[in-house]
Amino acid sequence: QKEVEQDPGPLSVPEGAIVSLNCTYSNSAFQYFMWYRQYSRKGPELLMYTYSSGNKEDGRFTAQVDKSSKYISLFIRDSQPSDSATYLCAMRESNDYKLSFGAGTTVTVRA
Amino acid sequence: DARVTQTPRHKVTEMGQEVTMRCQPILGHNTVFWYRQTMMQGLELLAYFRNRAPLDDSGMPKDRFSAEMPDATLATLKIQPSEPRDSAVYFCASGLVGSPLHFGNGTRLTVT
Repeated sequence: QKEVEQDPGPLSVPEGAIVSLNCTYSNSAFQYFMWYRQYSRKGPELLMYTYSSGNKEDGRFTAQVDKSSKYISLFIRDSQPSDSATYLCAMRESNDYKLSFGAGTTVTVRA
Repeated sequence: DARVTQTPRHKVTEMGQEVTMRCQPILGHNTVFWYRQTMMQGLELLAYFRNRAPLDDSGMPKDRFSAEMPDATLATLKIQPSEPRDSAVYFCASGLVGSPLHFGNGTRLTVT
């Protein structure tokens, strides 16, 4: 079993819908949680960065971390065709430099 | 907007040839990572540098891969000899210790 599990999708939604993405993990020592967006033939781009449990909002994006359930989520409100990309979750322990990545979920927002 | 720069963007080579990939980290960043991305394995860590010193290269096949940082503005990843199974996208990422990583746009390597 992988340390970080993420459903690869693909996920297809109409424009304006809420996109819900999630990852589960097994390592209770993870403290830092990230979401990266990767467009085709580009590198991953940092979207959200959170520490420990709680919610963080940035524009149309909301990241949630539930450490008790070892579950993190990313919500995209009022989705746009430009949100079509692969979304990768990543996480690490406090005193470690290594990131553990999910497999990535491919999202298509239909105009 | 500072970016991690990787060259070349694409490389096609024949099995057995040497491949060198270059990375210019964001100015001021003191950590550099090399990752490899494939459909099957996702993102895999190959090597990690802090203040130009290699701290972890356990993800690299030692017999054929090598990573160096000749100076703070250049990181290199070499494969010699290359094999078809090395075909992948290789990403360089840089950051400050404890901060999120910033990725380049990768080198897409095809070994025939």
